[in-house]
Amino acid sequence: ETGVTQSPTHLIKTRGQQVTLRCSSQSGHNTVSWYQQALGQGPQFIFQYYREEENGRGNFPPRFSGLQFPNYSSELNVNALELDDSALYLCASSLDGGRNTGELFFGEGSRLTVL
Amino acid sequence: AQSVTQLGSHVSVSEGALVLLRCNYSSSVPPYLFWYVQYPNQGLQLLLKYTTGATLVKGINGFEAEFKKSETSFHLTKPSAHMSDAAEYFCAVSPTYSSASKIIFGSGTRLSIRP
Repeated sequence: ETGVTQSPTHLIKTRGQQVTLRCSSQSGHNTVSWYQQALGQGPQFIFQYYREEENGRGNFPPRFSGLQFPNYSSELNVNALELDDSALYLCASSLDGGRNTGELFFGEGSRLTVL
Repeated sequence: AQSVTQLGSHVSVSEGALVLLRCNYSSSVPPYLFWYVQYPNQGLQLLLKYTTGATLVKGINGFEAEFKKSETSFHLTKPSAHMSDAAEYFCAVSPTYSSASKIIFGSGTRLSIRP
C-alpha cells in the first residue's frame, strides 16, 4: 500500500511568484485535503477535494486554488505569493468523501519559504 | 462552528511519569474528536479517535483519551512516558453531520520527556 506522497519537499520562492505543490493520495483514497501549518501552529484547513470537485474551503483567499485529477492526485496552487505564505503545506487523503468520519492520512509536507 | 483549545503549548514530564495533554472543544453538533501526533520533519499520524459509543478511547503506543461531554473535553493520557513519546500532539474536531466537513486542529502541545 502506497502512502501519501508530496512534492517538492522544500522550495524557495520570492514575493509575487506562483507555486504549485503536488500530492499523490494513498491507494484507494478518493478525498484529498490540504492544510497550511505555519511555524509553531496547528494545521489550518485550506480546502478539500472529493471526486475532482472542491468540497469545502477554509478561510483562505482565492489566490489559493486546487485541482484533483481522475486518479485522485491533487495540486495546490498559490498565486501572488506573500511572505506570510511561508509554511509547511500538508496534504491528507481519506476514504470518506464529504463525511469526515475518521482518519486522515498525511504526507510529510512541502515546506515553502517566501523571500 | 467548531474549535479546539489545547491548554499548554509545552508539557515536560519525566520518563515513566504520567502524561496528560489537555484539550477542550466547542461544537454546535455532536463532534468527532481526534488526537494526532507529529514527529519532527514528518506529517501527522492518528493516535486515536472518538466517533460514537464508548467514551474512553484507546489508541496506539499506550495512549488513551476520554470524551466528557459535560466538560467539553477530550484529554489525552498515557500512564508511563517513554522517551520516544517526545513529539507535537494535536487535538482535532470535526462535525458529525456535514456534506462539506473538515477537521479543525488545535495549536498543538509539544511534549518533552526528561531522562
